[in-house]
Amino acid sequence: EAGVVQSPRYKIIEKKQPVAFWCNPISGHNTLYWYRQNLGQGPELLIRYENEEAVDDSQLPKDRFSAERLKGVDSTLKIQPAELGDSAVYLCASSALAGVGEQYFGPGTRLTVT
Amino acid sequence: AQSVTQPDIHITVSEGASLELRCNYSYGATPYLFWYVQSPGQGLQLLLKYFSGDTLVQGIKGFEAEFKRSQSSFNLRKPSVHWSDAAEYFCAQLTGGGNKLTFGTGTQLKVEL
Repeated sequence: EAGVVQSPRYKIIEKKQPVAFWCNPISGHNTLYWYRQNLGQGPELLIRYENEEAVDDSQLPKDRFSAERLKGVDSTLKIQPAELGDSAVYLCASSALAGVGEQYFGPGTRLTVT
Repeated sequence: AQSVTQPDIHITVSEGASLELRCNYSYGATPYLFWYVQSPGQGLQLLLKYFSGDTLVQGIKGFEAEFKRSQSSFNLRKPSVHWSDAAEYFCAQLTGGGNKLTFGTGTQLKVEL
């Protein structure tokens, strides 16, 4: 069974440019998470989806970040415009059950903003 | 604030030596606790989890962790470390009503041959 797929794996952009990350969760997993992991830190939740509904986006900087999960399967996270401080690894995870269900993580997208 | 603390940023052990990575949590009477491992360029992999019951939890790759409520700790252990265990280890706790993983800052493990 395929794991969580993310693309691209690496992205380098100049500040003020837009960028988008894509995630395809494990088949059948209704819950999808986007995390941001700054250098030397643990991942921090940005947004959680239950099917196509964003049920927790309290940590998403809504002035420049947006996300969508059309049809409740794959998801896209966008930043527009990017700032230097957005340089981080963006991780996607999915689980079959919300809460105590094990979260399976993708390899992440490493974003560098210059 | 709900937090998970990993006091050791870096740890170096010799191959074959025992390992203990420390983790303290600060939330909840019945914590749900996890240990994840992250190798370079890889996503996080779950090593083990504690929800309730036996306070000594066995995980994959020969790891175990012990939950101690009196110390608010959930330390990860391995009796004999292999060079392939070199990675970053994260302790995490379910918070936010059980819907959010809060991670510690991680411990980078180096294994000397």
